[in-house]
Amino acid sequence: GAVVSQHPSRVICKSGTSVKIECRSLDFQATTMFWYRQFPKQSLMLMATSNEGSKATYEQGVEKDKFLINHASLTLSTLTVTSAHPEDSSFYICSVWPRQATYEQYFGPGTRLTVT
Amino acid sequence: QKEVEQNSGPLSVPEGAIASLNCTYSDRGSQSFFWYRQYSGKSPELIMSIYSNGDKEDGRFTAQLNKASQYVSLLIRDSQPSDSATYLCAVTGGSNYKLTFGKGTLLTVNP
Repeated sequence: GAVVSQHPSRVICKSGTSVKIECRSLDFQATTMFWYRQFPKQSLMLMATSNEGSKATYEQGVEKDKFLINHASLTLSTLTVTSAHPEDSSFYICSVWPRQATYEQYFGPGTRLTVT
Repeated sequence: QKEVEQNSGPLSVPEGAIASLNCTYSDRGSQSFFWYRQYSGKSPELIMSIYSNGDKEDGRFTAQLNKASQYVSLLIRDSQPSDSATYLCAVTGGSNYKLTFGKGTLLTVNP
């Protein structure tokens, strides 16, 4: 497997503010990480693919200017939710892809964002 | 558009029974298949991967893949209350590496 951490685990912010979520790969160097969002009682939806040293690739319908992704090192990717609104409240989860030949992804513990 | 369908559930089984979870997928070019377990309020945990037709066993878990029928299943033998969770089927490969998830099946194991 792979060990992935996320910080913070839970955050509450006011509408209009920005929130940064960190995802760290603790036991290997991750050139690729993924960011997902999960609303209550729904499945995971891929938001974007984060590539070390290059721009993230966003899924259709995901606003790249609202969800800023920075993958500046092989162990850290960050997701910044800018000008957050209540509808952005969700469970944000990152994953890593340690062995690309197998397509296995391992998830971080997730960050629960509540926008008031 | 790629789709992954799971039996809607919820599924309730008594402790010690076999729980059977099913999944079908639409992309015939899919190559890799996964089962994730997600406890309430937690992130998904990979429990099984399967890549070729047939059965793959790991402890109490058995994954079964039938590419001709585009069907993958997960059997949990000797179910325990700690197995109570949502099980997510995920599929990838073929044209890209992205995981496509089913909506999940909620399993409850009753003591």
